[in-house]
Amino acid sequence: NAGVMQNPRHLVRRRGQEARLRCSPMKGHSHVYWYRQLPEEGLKFMVYLQKENIIDESGMPKERFSAEFPKEGPSILRIQQVVRGDSAAYFCASSPLLIRDGDQETQYFGPGTRLLVL
Amino acid sequence: RKEVEQDPGPFNVPEGATVAFNCTYSNSASQSFFWYRQDCRKEPKLLMSVYSSGNEDGRFTAQLNRASQYISLLIRDSKLSDSATYLCVVSLAGGGSYIPTFGRGTSLIVHP
Repeated sequence: NAGVMQNPRHLVRRRGQEARLRCSPMKGHSHVYWYRQLPEEGLKFMVYLQKENIIDESGMPKERFSAEFPKEGPSILRIQQVVRGDSAAYFCASSPLLIRDGDQETQYFGPGTRLLVL
Repeated sequence: RKEVEQDPGPFNVPEGATVAFNCTYSNSASQSFFWYRQDCRKEPKLLMSVYSSGNEDGRFTAQLNRASQYISLLIRDSKLSDSATYLCVVSLAGGGSYIPTFGRGTSLIVHP
């Protein structure tokens, strides 16, 4: 059973370009989370998606960032007009269920995409 | 006050030592608690969930103190391979959404 897959593992973009990060959850998992980790910082929640549905996007910057999880294919985190401050590691995690009150459901993380904006 | 706070360390200990980390959280309604381990430039990996009654997994023991709003991780007989950053994770579930909040991590260095 393959784990969570992310690609590309490393992405270099110039300021103003677009970055597209992909995440394929573990087999049987229908929920995906995206996190951003800046150097020497903790993971910051960005968005929580189910197939074709955004459950919580309270951590997403208001502009330039968007995420989707289509019925078919991987989840995509899209960053438009990248700036140097977007340079970070972006991690995706998946879980099998919509986590409800009191559940101790585990998230499984992908290896991350390291974005460098020049 | 930050939602989840950890001492960043580093904790520098010799092999065989016992080391403990604490993590405090600000929201008393928090419901789920975890410790993750993250190696340098790698993804976080679940170390253990933390239950109200406390739980143990080999050399690792996790405790939850709801009254004081902290969780702890105790590592006995430290190994060189335990060197990593340990992330405290606290989540608040409700309204169909479960959003984990990560601490910044505590760095552990185990030396020979």
